[in-house]
Amino acid sequence: GESVGLHLPTLSVQEGDNSIINCAYSNSASDYFIWYKQESGKGPQFIIDIRSNMDKRQGQRVTVLLNKTVKHLSLQIAATQPGDSAVYFCAENFALNAGNMLTFGGGTRLMVKP
Amino acid sequence: ETGVTQSPTHLIKTRGQQVTLRCSSQSGHNTVSWYQQALGQGPQFIFQYYREEENGRGNFPPRFSGLQFPNYSSELNVNALELDDSALYLCASSAGQVSNSPLHFGNGTRLTVT
Repeated sequence: GESVGLHLPTLSVQEGDNSIINCAYSNSASDYFIWYKQESGKGPQFIIDIRSNMDKRQGQRVTVLLNKTVKHLSLQIAATQPGDSAVYFCAENFALNAGNMLTFGGGTRLMVKP
Repeated sequence: ETGVTQSPTHLIKTRGQQVTLRCSSQSGHNTVSWYQQALGQGPQFIFQYYREEENGRGNFPPRFSGLQFPNYSSELNVNALELDDSALYLCASSAGQVSNSPLHFGNGTRLTVT
């Protein structure tokens, strides 16, 4: 079936650099996308979301870009800090589903080197 | 504002047994979803409850069942446990069943089936 996937399973960056985590989705009917951060021993923590009628959304130190033409989603983290080290998941919500039934990708582990 | 809380945090059961996991929604949230997260993978949707009724289900067998109570808290029940049921079980809540409301997750219950 269709699912959300990620290009890079592990990303290592230097503290202070910018990080970019990528995600490919396959369902063109998806209308809502979310990025989650999951630290060891904890549940996924909401970072930022974007609707399909937008192509960019900014939060505090984070930016999500959506390219519907190539079904690509990315999360940019500015001035990456050690506390950003975690596994990051993108998730998509299908427009045909009622409610918030999300399909998650396999995750990318972000490692921040001091 | 109280976040999503789950109990217990860890649980060990024997194959064939039954288990009940509990979840309290974030304040003001009336929709609860349950996800299963195997080690090293993204969460997979089990089902969702809204106004005490199941209104969406993922690809899980009937031995996975749930309840939502008038105070919006929820239970996940799994009968006839199998070794592959070992996973982190995540509860998430949201405000209503509109598809563009982000899910907020608890820290999960780690279930080990031996």
